[in-house]
Amino acid sequence: EVQLVESGGGLVQPGGSLRLSCAASGFTFRSYLMNWVRQAPGKGLEWVANIKQDGSEKYYVDSVKGRFTISRDNARNSLYLQMNSLRAEDTAVYYCARGRGSYWGQGTLVTVSS
Amino acid sequence: DVVMTQSPLSLPVTLGQPASISCRSSQSLVYSDGNTYLNWFQQRPGQSPRRLIYKVSNRDSGVPDRFSGSGSGTDFTLKISRVEAEDVGIYYCMQGTHWPYSFGQGTKLEIK
Repeated sequence: EVQLVESGGGLVQPGGSLRLSCAASGFTFRSYLMNWVRQAPGKGLEWVANIKQDGSEKYYVDSVKGRFTISRDNARNSLYLQMNSLRAEDTAVYYCARGRGSYWGQGTLVTVSS
Repeated sequence: DVVMTQSPLSLPVTLGQPASISCRSSQSLVYSDGNTYLNWFQQRPGQSPRRLIYKVSNRDSGVPDRFSGSGSGTDFTLKISRVEAEDVGIYYCMQGTHWPYSFGQGTKLEIK
């Protein structure tokens, strides 16, 4: 059974940092493009970043470029999102998703507030 | 960036009746490999999104056959042949052809 389990969310002050993790199981992690998608409270879905299977290519939505870094560890079947210089508008549930959305985790809530 | 526009944004439907959601993209979604990466997702209240349809018309495993997708180029449609109570939620189209991938605004389906 495919499972994606996010962790690392929480309350952080504006300008602060947070590192999200996603533990994958039930499939060959190294064979899939992986993504972070977020959903602000009561709002729609926004694709944040993705990373190719070997980590050689990474893409970010403009609003997070220079602040967020996506990475992966294929030996540990894990995906990460390092978030720096956080802003109130980054407040959202962050989902880890496989491929073009075939599987999703349950999400982890990030709240940026003083 | 590719803009995905859904209509309607609110869809009240009587149980057992059909429903249809339209999705238009601002650019063609045909990828260089010949595939069209247009997916449909369902998000039930309090749950993560779940993919229903991939590459325009392919149902994911476990998705009831009352759900169907169609379209090409820039115009796409999700149809539910007979709405059931468990179909309540928000439906999103999503393009995975051009980066950044993007979603439509969402269509809220409710029972009349």
